[in-house]
Amino acid sequence: GESVGLHLPTLSVQEGDNSIINCAYSNSASDYFIWYKQESGKGPQFIIDIRSNMDKRQGQRVTVLLNKTVKHLSLQIAATQPGDSAVYFCAETPNSGNTPLVFGKGTRLSVIA
Amino acid sequence: DAGVTQSPTHLIKTRGQHVTLRCSPISGHKSVSWYQQVLGQGPQFIFQYYEKEERGRGNFPDRFSARQFPNYSSELNVNALLLGDSALYLCASSFGRGNNEKLFFGSGTQLSVL
Repeated sequence: GESVGLHLPTLSVQEGDNSIINCAYSNSASDYFIWYKQESGKGPQFIIDIRSNMDKRQGQRVTVLLNKTVKHLSLQIAATQPGDSAVYFCAETPNSGNTPLVFGKGTRLSVIA
Repeated sequence: DAGVTQSPTHLIKTRGQHVTLRCSPISGHKSVSWYQQVLGQGPQFIFQYYEKEERGRGNFPDRFSARQFPNYSSELNVNALLLGDSALYLCASSFGRGNNEKLFFGSGTQLSVL
């Protein structure tokens, strides 16, 4: 089965509010995590990544939090905009071996104007 | 700079036929990975190639095969197509062979098997 999953399949937020998308992973050997955004008809687009030696990383309007104790990953989007509407995937991989990037099922974020 | 390019964008086949999908990685990237994405699911790993050699294979039947060319472009072949092969096929490239590298995806080939 999948080692990465998401708590909520859909999330609706008001424009301007902050969004939080959650992800649980089960492989304790995973030490590299990526969030991707996928818009309709397009391939996944890299948003932000984090390695297991960190618990927080910030980008432009996005923050990823990693809690290795409970194997939980979250993506926070500040001041959510209509253009943020998409499906968001977390993906994980262990640092060693040939294990590829494993994706979760995704969360659909809908921004209400 | 061009991103990952895939062709064709859409394809319709019938059961039993075979299909070849093509991918050109970002210039300078030596690794190509193929993923299958069924509607409503996350991408599932099929193959990874680095420097023309297979570096990883997902849980897919032998009907699926791939290769990488000296210019690092790649083809994914699927024989004896089944209805369940209908999906978006994504190609991704990265510079090295390491698994802790971000993948850059193309827009995919939407395959419909009738």
